[in-house]
Amino acid sequence: AQSVTQLGSHVSVSEGALVLLRCNYSSSVPPYLFWYVQYPNQGLQLLLKYTTGATLVKGINGFEAEFKKSETSFHLTKPSAHMSDAAEYFCAVSEGNYGQNFVFGPGTRLSVLP
Amino acid sequence: GAVVSQHPSRVICKSGTSVKIECRSLDFQATTMFWYRQFPKKSLMLMATSNEGSKATYEQGVEKDKFLINHASLTLSTLTVTSAHPEDSSFYICSARGDTHRLTYEQYFGPGTRLTVT
Repeated sequence: AQSVTQLGSHVSVSEGALVLLRCNYSSSVPPYLFWYVQYPNQGLQLLLKYTTGATLVKGINGFEAEFKKSETSFHLTKPSAHMSDAAEYFCAVSEGNYGQNFVFGPGTRLSVLP
Repeated sequence: GAVVSQHPSRVICKSGTSVKIECRSLDFQATTMFWYRQFPKKSLMLMATSNEGSKATYEQGVEKDKFLINHASLTLSTLTVTSAHPEDSSFYICSARGDTHRLTYEQYFGPGTRLTVT
């Protein structure tokens, strides 16, 4: 069975600073990996996903993530944080070949300080 | 494209009553829909997988008689919380996986429904 861990339940960065949100996964088959963002009292919005192919994935709002199989990681980065990036971020894994259910990580709350 | 709606967005009900939450895929057909529950400041917990025209598959620990799921069409799944109790208060989120998205296993999420049981 797959699982996801996110190091750091709360991350604070200054506006304009680098954003780094960590995600590590375990999966018995090649994984499909996702990052979602959730604003208060709202559903989830897909930031980016990795299925196959290029390991550096670019998403919306300037975010990108790199799939590193050797490290079983899929960390999310953004070069320069904006105030509007403050939200909850969830990493998720789906077993690509036949699994259909997502397993979500516990989430990381990102605060952006002025 | 790939928009999922939920109705209502917020509902307050009295203990012992039943509440129905609708999840609709607006611009695509979804054979499979998923229902999640999210506790405050927590991650999403999968409750059940809903397949059009067949019975839902519930995750371990989820009471199927309490959380009734019906996926009557390719664009609509409903979750009915029966005999609601205060501990059922939560944020319920549905997602839909379009038939054309099955190879990427991408799910599109609804905006969520905040249920408060008094």
